[in-house]
Amino acid sequence: NAGVTQTPKFQVLKTGQSMTLQCAQDMNHNSMYWYRQDPGMGLRLIYYSASEGTTDKGEVPNGYNVSRLNKREFSLRLESAAPSQTSVYFCASSESGLSGAGNTIYFGEGSWLTVV
Amino acid sequence: SQQGEEDPQALSIQEGENATMNCSYKTSINNLQWYRQNSGRGLVHLILIRSNEREKHSGRLRVTLDTSKKSSSLLITASRAADTASYFCATRSGYALNFGKGTSLLVTP
Repeated sequence: NAGVTQTPKFQVLKTGQSMTLQCAQDMNHNSMYWYRQDPGMGLRLIYYSASEGTTDKGEVPNGYNVSRLNKREFSLRLESAAPSQTSVYFCASSESGLSGAGNTIYFGEGSWLTVV
Repeated sequence: SQQGEEDPQALSIQEGENATMNCSYKTSINNLQWYRQNSGRGLVHLILIRSNEREKHSGRLRVTLDTSKKSSSLLITASRAADTASYFCATRSGYALNFGKGTSLLVTP
């Protein structure tokens, strides 16, 4: 059981380049998330998708776009990468957004992005 | 904004000792969760405690919740080197979880 799979694992971009981080989950979860993790800052929510067909901004959405392609896949796009977007990016999913066991979030292994 | 704040930021203990880390949060919650992150890996869910629960156990983990003080603690008993990781508390805000900055635990043999 793969859980949450995100690609690529590592990426180096030049300032101004664009790229898309891919994420897929095989747990039939309704909700998906993108977080970034920076030293000393903990995890910060970029965007989330409560259910297929919906997306919403999180705490730090500027410079990013997302697409909930279908129930399994949720991609994160950097249109014009900036050095401030150097970070570790985590995709995650949960059964539902609000109640009970659906609260538990399952994380991918992370994507290390460096913008030079 | 980040809802939970863990304390201490870093903790170093020897194998066999107990490790206690604390989390404070700001607003009312339905539940609070603890996650572990090994170096270079994603976060893994450890335990969830509901707002009407005061204490919960899972193996060597004991979590307490004091809603009047808006705080929670995670106790790891009889620590092992494999417990070396960062530990995060998380509270729900709408559809997403907000995480604190974490406590970095080092368990030395």
